[in-house]
Amino acid sequence: NAGVTQTPKFRILKIGQSMTLQCAQDMNHNYMYWYRQDPGMGLKLIYYSVGAGITDKGEVPNGYNVSRSTTEDFPLRLELAAPSQTSVYFCASSYSGRGRNTEAFFGQGTRLTVV
Amino acid sequence: AQKITQTQPGMFVQEKEAVTLDCTYDTSDPSYGLFWYKQPSSGEMIFLIYQGSYDQQNATEGRYSLNFQKARKSANLVISASQLGDSAMYFCAMMCYSSASKIIFGSGTRLSIRP
Repeated sequence: NAGVTQTPKFRILKIGQSMTLQCAQDMNHNYMYWYRQDPGMGLKLIYYSVGAGITDKGEVPNGYNVSRSTTEDFPLRLELAAPSQTSVYFCASSYSGRGRNTEAFFGQGTRLTVV
Repeated sequence: AQKITQTQPGMFVQEKEAVTLDCTYDTSDPSYGLFWYKQPSSGEMIFLIYQGSYDQQNATEGRYSLNFQKARKSANLVISASQLGDSAMYFCAMMCYSSASKIIFGSGTRLSIRP
């Protein structure tokens, strides 16, 4: 049972380059999320999705794009990377509905450095 | 709008003592869930405990309990008999079930346990 899988684990980008962070879950969760965590800080929501074909902006969407063509996958695209996007990125998923089982399951994170 | 506030950036506690980590929240949604996560230095996110807005009793999970005061909009985490392995970042999070369907996080509290 893999849970939430993120790739890559580490990446160094040059300013202006683009890349896609991959996220896949095998728990049949409807909800998926992308967060960024700057050093010593909390998690800020970038984008989220409540199902295939449905995405919405979170707190810090600028500089990022997402798509959700399947229930399993939720890639995050960085266009024109900037040093301010240096961060650790977490993908997470959860069941829809209400209650205890709406807890978020997290991937291991992607540490991105933009130089 | 949803908001989570954690006002304690860092705390030091003696081993075996109890510790309370503060969390206040704001939402107009009557149906919501509150979560606490632990993030050790290795970086993974570990779910600790859940409290639903309609739950009549405070949640407990082993050494963790949640002091839920709905009228004050607070959801403090209590760790009894702290251990060295409890040293980590702790995050409070919320999902509003009737509206946004997204999980937002507070800024976190870094807990350090002294031997």
